Amino acid sequence: AQSVAQPEDQVKVAEGNPLTVKCTYSVSGNPYLFWYVQYPNRGLQFLLKYITGDNLVKGSYGFEAEFNKSQTSFHLKKPSALVSDSALYFCAVRREADDKIIFGKGTRLHILP
Amino acid sequence: DTAVSQTPKYLVTQMGNDKSIKCEQNLGHDTMYWYKQDSKKFLKIMFSYNNKELIINETVPNRFSPKSPDKAHLNLHINSLELGDSAVYFCASSPLIGEQYFGPGTRLTVT
Repeated sequence: AQSVAQPEDQVKVAEGNPLTVKCTYSVSGNPYLFWYVQYPNRGLQFLLKYITGDNLVKGSYGFEAEFNKSQTSFHLKKPSALVSDSALYFCAVRREADDKIIFGKGTRLHILP
Repeated sequence: DTAVSQTPKYLVTQMGNDKSIKCEQNLGHDTMYWYKQDSKKFLKIMFSYNNKELIINETVPNRFSPKSPDKAHLNLHINSLELGDSAVYFCASSPLIGEQYFGPGTRLTVT
């Protein structure tokens, strides 16, 4: 089955520490991978994407993600967390075959002051 | 200069009523979507249109009917509203294989 897994419902990190939000995927064909952030009572905002090329992609607000084909993962990272990074983060994959987009269930990130 | 806009932002209505949500994007994208986000924040695609043509129609009750008068607009009409339809509905648009741009959402409450 085609899917996206975000194994952690929530992640807590102290401000200034590095953060990682995990995402693994299972799709046939080449995946197009995305990370989005959702602040309370707002729509989702695009952070970064992997389509092709360098496995390490950089995005908005200092976030980056590494595409790992052998582990079918696309973890979101940031070297130094800010309290303002606290939000709900979604990983998504677009299947090349039919353009269908599948979202993970979301990971709530809490950055502790 | 809002990129993706939705109206209304809040919608409170009674069971059995019919309601519509409108969406407009000024990004020039060919593809538009409707998503439903439930109370647990799960996000599920409902429909996708590419240049006014329906390309994704997920398992959604036929009480939900999307309409795309042109590629900048994708409206959602819901007939005979049920309690379980209460959710936040998001419209989004994208270029063909790029990232999606989401609207602010419409919070639908059915009483």
